[in-house]
Amino acid sequence: EVQLSESGGGLVQPGGSLRLSCAASGFTFSNYAMSWVRQAPGKGLEWVSALRGGGGVINYADSVKGRFAISRDNSKNTLYLQMNTLRAEDTAVYYCAKVSVWSQRSFDYWGQGTLVTVSS
Amino acid sequence: QSVLTQPPSASGTPGYRVTISCSGSSSNIGSNPVNWYQQLPGTAPKLLIYSSNQRPSGVPDRFSGSQSGTSASLAISGLQSEDEADYYCAAWDDSLSGWVFGGGTKLTVL
Repeated sequence: EVQLSESGGGLVQPGGSLRLSCAASGFTFSNYAMSWVRQAPGKGLEWVSALRGGGGVINYADSVKGRFAISRDNSKNTLYLQMNTLRAEDTAVYYCAKVSVWSQRSFDYWGQGTLVTVSS
Repeated sequence: QSVLTQPPSASGTPGYRVTISCSGSSSNIGSNPVNWYQQLPGTAPKLLIYSSNQRPSGVPDRFSGSQSGTSASLAISGLQSEDEADYYCAAWDDSLSGWVFGGGTKLTVL
């Protein structure tokens, strides 16, 4: 059974940093691209970033480019999101999601999410 | 402002059929498959339809998808109270080199 479990969320001041983790199990982690998707309170879904199975970055959303860094450790089956220079508008639930086969490019499994609150 | 356009709300009576539209452009829906996600209240999104019209294992055949040109739609037949949720369309965008989502449609079962 595929399982994704995010951690690392919390309250941080504007301008601060936070590192999210996503522990994966139930599939061959290194074979699949992984992604972060966020959802601000009461708002819709927003794609943040994605990473290929081998570690190559696919891209970042313009809203986070230059401030966030995605990475993975395939030996630990873990995906990361380093978030720097955080702003109030980064407040959201952050989900990690597994990308299906590339021809489909769907997010076939999601974690439960971790809440990041940026506030003074 | 979302790249993909969905109606903010939809409603239907139990047992009846409802459709949700999703409009995009040539760089996303016009050239890539659309996926649909269901988000029940207080839960994480779940893949509902992939590759425009395919259902993952476990998704009832009451849910169906279609795609033509730069638009797509999700149809739910035999509407049930447990279908009350937010529904999102999404697709890869070749110009942005990333995924784009619709703003979501809140479905109410009357």
